[in-house]
Amino acid sequence: QSALTQPASVSGSPGQSITISCTGTSSDIGTYDYVSWYQQHPGKAPKVLIYEVSNRPSGVSNRFSGSKSGNTASLTISGLQAEDEADYYCSSYTSSSTRVFGTGTKVTVL
Amino acid sequence: EVQLLESGGGLVQPGGSLRLSCAASGFTFSTYAMTWVRQAPGKGLEWVSAISGGGDSAYYADSVKGRFTISRDNFKNTLFLQMTSLRVEDTAVYYCTSPGYSNGWYSYSQHWGQGTLVTVSS
Repeated sequence: QSALTQPASVSGSPGQSITISCTGTSSDIGTYDYVSWYQQHPGKAPKVLIYEVSNRPSGVSNRFSGSKSGNTASLTISGLQAEDEADYYCSSYTSSSTRVFGTGTKVTVL
Repeated sequence: EVQLLESGGGLVQPGGSLRLSCAASGFTFSTYAMTWVRQAPGKGLEWVSAISGGGDSAYYADSVKGRFTISRDNFKNTLFLQMTSLRVEDTAVYYCTSPGYSNGWYSYSQHWGQGTLVTVSS
């Protein structure tokens, strides 16, 4: 149950688009479409942004989008805003009947 | 409105035990699988355990298997996590979460509680 691999940090200027990758294996992301993404601001509980690879829950901005190719999932934030500065985590179901989270990515808005 | 309220955290010595509770409201608790997720101070999220709506199926991360037990009381709309043989590395904020659809624990966590801090230290 090794954590999924994410870049430690990603940065961008307001209005730009950034993409966060999440790399797993054929035992998780590569096999299952149960990939989700979470945003966490300091001292707060996480908030789901994307579920089942590319679905947005009601109320989540359409500036957030998700995709998957092979063993890697991606979260794209378009039109970057100051409020998007936070930590982001991916998650996937695994063949061991568990879930696993990514290592986390800190997004900085320059 | 879905509300999840964790309690039971605190300071415990290594090797000790603690039971966390999560009081749920705003949805039909007995029809939803539930999940515990933890976060060590300054670290990332770690999935801990999940339980089916009826309580007949439970799932655990390898790091807690054999030491933690997840359970639920559907009459009291409450989720539990019994933690034994606690280690320093179990120190974390423990979150109770519910999925976006009834059995969807394997898919994602839609609702999160505010978390309860467990500190394992001598």
